[in-house]
Amino acid sequence: LAKTTQPISMDSYEGQEVNITCSHNNIATNDYITWYQQFPSQGPRFIIQGYKTKVTNEVASLFIPADRKSSTLSLPRVSLSDTAVYYCLVFKAGANNLFFGTGTRLTVIP
Amino acid sequence: DTGVSQNPRHKITKRGQNVTFRCDPISEHNRLYWYRQTLGQGPEFLTYFQNEAQLEKSRLLSDRFSAERPKGSFSTLEIQRTEQGDSAMYLCASSPGTDPSYEQYFGPGTRLTVT
Repeated sequence: LAKTTQPISMDSYEGQEVNITCSHNNIATNDYITWYQQFPSQGPRFIIQGYKTKVTNEVASLFIPADRKSSTLSLPRVSLSDTAVYYCLVFKAGANNLFFGTGTRLTVIP
Repeated sequence: DTGVSQNPRHKITKRGQNVTFRCDPISEHNRLYWYRQTLGQGPEFLTYFQNEAQLEKSRLLSDRFSAERPKGSFSTLEIQRTEQGDSAMYLCASSPGTDPSYEQYFGPGTRLTVT
């Protein structure tokens, strides 16, 4: 499993765009990148997944540069309800489990 | 509610007792996962089922832990002779696909406290 490194915590004001960068220097050719969000006392929730370039859905965008050694989760115009822990995961297609790491604790300030 | 459900939500037990947790996955999801999460850490993989077959177990899953998924529907996780180090949130997730590229849907978890 490729090791991921992401900031332990981030603060942002409500209404701002938040970018959380994850480093995965030893990502392999057939590895995918996925992000999960977890609120206190709840299970994680899938946000977005990608392989290369840019992926966008209704809640976030995922930017992956050509070398794929990092990825950036972008949350547009965060609200207080976006306060959560965000996990960056890299997994190999066909692998059987996910490795979560410690994640980034995002705190949105009014 | 058609999401993943887990029961009980909270369990307090004395050291040495056995406990059993139940997970009901989303209907027709053929993969079911168990994770353990301690305070300040991300979830750690314990085991997973493809239908009724248990295909992988983590080294974290000691001999005191056993999981079943009879008939490929709900699953149970039993911990025998609980220890204080077993105190954690136990999460269940299900997935419609056959590898992690399919989104995993997590339940709310069962919080175990061993006194």
